Amino acid sequence: GAVVSQHPSRVICKSGTSVKIECRSLDFQATTMFWYRQFPKQSLMLMATSNEGSKATYEQGVEKDKFLINHASLTLSTLTVTSAHPEDSSFYICSASSSGGVETQYFGPGTRLLVL
Amino acid sequence: DAKTTQPPSMDCAEGRAANLPCNHSTISGNEYVYWYRQIHSQGPQYIIHGLKNNETNEMASLIITEDRKSSTLILPHATLRDTAVYYCIVFNTDKLIFGTGTRLQVFP
Repeated sequence: GAVVSQHPSRVICKSGTSVKIECRSLDFQATTMFWYRQFPKQSLMLMATSNEGSKATYEQGVEKDKFLINHASLTLSTLTVTSAHPEDSSFYICSASSSGGVETQYFGPGTRLLVL
Repeated sequence: DAKTTQPPSMDCAEGRAANLPCNHSTISGNEYVYWYRQIHSQGPQYIIHGLKNNETNEMASLIITEDRKSSTLILPHATLRDTAVYYCIVFNTDKLIFGTGTRLQVFP
């Protein structure tokens, strides 16, 4: 299957700082990328959908000003957690699709964020 | 979105077939059934998907009932590395919505 990478794999930061997570599709062009968050022992929760060159669509309850998403190219999307707080500590996972329709999504390995 | 119902957990002996059920009684005609799995602390891994017909690939088989209200994922010869949470998802609006899944434990 297609390969999606995430960087960094884990990050520890101080409360109040911002953290950027990168998601890259390595061997295909991703017109659509998705960002999920997963708390311990829970399922994945979709945060937002981003299409290359346009604004992201956020799920209900997700603050767009706190979780900034940029999808500047067909192979890269970034999620910036602004002014991170301990409650933002979570496992963040991205996925990428080569089309927005019925298409297999390929997931990255995830980024574990710990905010102290 | 159509919802799915899966048992929270299942056990399977190594080498045996693992049959994971999923109910999706409100599925509509143009919605696909997708299966993903998530091994601990990793991103989900695509397994298989189908619309009406049964499907098979190198990882698993997907059996969809004629009325499409339920399906079964079959891992023909489970190994310890198949221990994971398995998610059955009905895909209709360009985004995957994950339910709680089935935690499959394969034991020696």
